[in-house]
Amino acid sequence: QVQLQQWGAGLLKPSETLSLTCVVYGGSFSGYYWTWIRQPPGKGLEWIGEISHSGSTNYNPSLKSRVTISVDTSKNQFSLNLNSVTATDTAVYYCARGSRGFWSRPFDMWGQGTMVTVSS
Amino acid sequence: QSVLTQPPSASGTPGQTVTISCSGSSSNIESNYVYWYQQLPGTVPQLLIYRSTQRPSGVPDRFSGSKSGASASLAISGLRSEDEADYYCATWDDSLSGWVFGGGTQLTVL
Repeated sequence: QVQLQQWGAGLLKPSETLSLTCVVYGGSFSGYYWTWIRQPPGKGLEWIGEISHSGSTNYNPSLKSRVTISVDTSKNQFSLNLNSVTATDTAVYYCARGSRGFWSRPFDMWGQGTMVTVSS
Repeated sequence: QSVLTQPPSASGTPGQTVTISCSGSSSNIESNYVYWYQQLPGTVPQLLIYRSTQRPSGVPDRFSGSKSGASASLAISGLRSEDEADYYCATWDDSLSGWVFGGGTQLTVL
């Protein structure tokens, strides 16, 4: 049974850096795109970016200048850093298992979500 | 402004069929599979439809997906109160080299 468990700071001040980590328990770590998605309060889902087990990344163009996603395959973990946060970055942040191709079922597994609030 | 366009709300009475649309473009829906997610109140989104028309095991056959050109639809037949949720479509966008979501549709069962 695959499980994703995430953690990180929930309250930040403007201009600080958001840092979240997600660990994957069970299943294979390779062959997937490990993904971060966020959801502002009362709003829809926004894809932030993804990383493969080999470290290849893709980012949402609207966030690319501020986002870094990294992976530690020895621990089956991946992390999100989002710098220079503002109030508009307030959201629930989810880690998820992504995939592509004919057989893929992207975002079939999700972390529990972390509410991140940016406030002075 | 989402890349994929969904109606913000939909409603129906128990037993009815409701359809939720998802409109995109040649760089996303027209050239890639569409996926649908159900987010029950206060919970994590769950995969409902993959490869535009397929249901994961455990998803009732009341849920069905279709795609034509640059648009896709999710149909829910035999509507039940537990179907009240937010529904999101998603697909890969070749121009953006990233995933895009619809803005979400809030389904109300009257």
